[in-house]
Amino acid sequence: EAGVTQFPSHSVIEKGQTVTLRCDPISGHDNLYWYRRVMGKEIKFLLHFVKESKQDESGMPNNRFLAERTGGTYSTLKVQPAELEDSGVYFCASSQAKTGRSYNSPLHFGNGTRLTVT
Amino acid sequence: QKEVEQDPGPLSVPEGAIVSLNCTYSNSAFQYFMWYRQYSRKGPELLMYTYSSGNKEDGRFTAQVDKSSKYISLFIRDSQPSDSATYLCAMSARNTGNQFYFGTGTSLTVIP
Repeated sequence: EAGVTQFPSHSVIEKGQTVTLRCDPISGHDNLYWYRRVMGKEIKFLLHFVKESKQDESGMPNNRFLAERTGGTYSTLKVQPAELEDSGVYFCASSQAKTGRSYNSPLHFGNGTRLTVT
Repeated sequence: QKEVEQDPGPLSVPEGAIVSLNCTYSNSAFQYFMWYRQYSRKGPELLMYTYSSGNKEDGRFTAQVDKSSKYISLFIRDSQPSDSATYLCAMSARNTGNQFYFGTGTSLTVIP
């Protein structure tokens, strides 16, 4: 079984530019999450999809961040325009939770995208 | 106050030692507890998953949950150099919706 894959593994952009991160979850996993780790801090929740629907985007920092999940398969996270404080590692995770019970199904993570905004 | 507190270390032990890693938490509603291992430049990898209080053992790894003290532990027996990594605790609850809460991670080095 292929794991969660993320692309690119590393991105360096200038302040004001746009970056799009991609995540392919484990096949058959309806739940897809984005998390972020800023240097020195804990991994923090950004948002959660069930299939193509956003279940919870309460962790998204502001409207410069836009996440989509086309057809309930892969997901993209776009940052536009990027700011210095957006630097960090963006993790995608998926789980096979039953509807409404995502809290008790452990997450399977990708290797992350390391974003550096200069 | 952070939801989950974890000593970042670093922790350095000789090969063969017993390692104890710990997290404390503030939300008494947390019911599901996980330990992840993360190697450098990789994503977190699920090691242990427990529900509510008690112990769970898997090979050299034992996870303990003490809900009365809001304290969880991961023990590694006969530690190996390949155990050198960052260990993250994570937890969730029915009433926290879709979110999992993580500790900052403890960096462990096992010296041959």
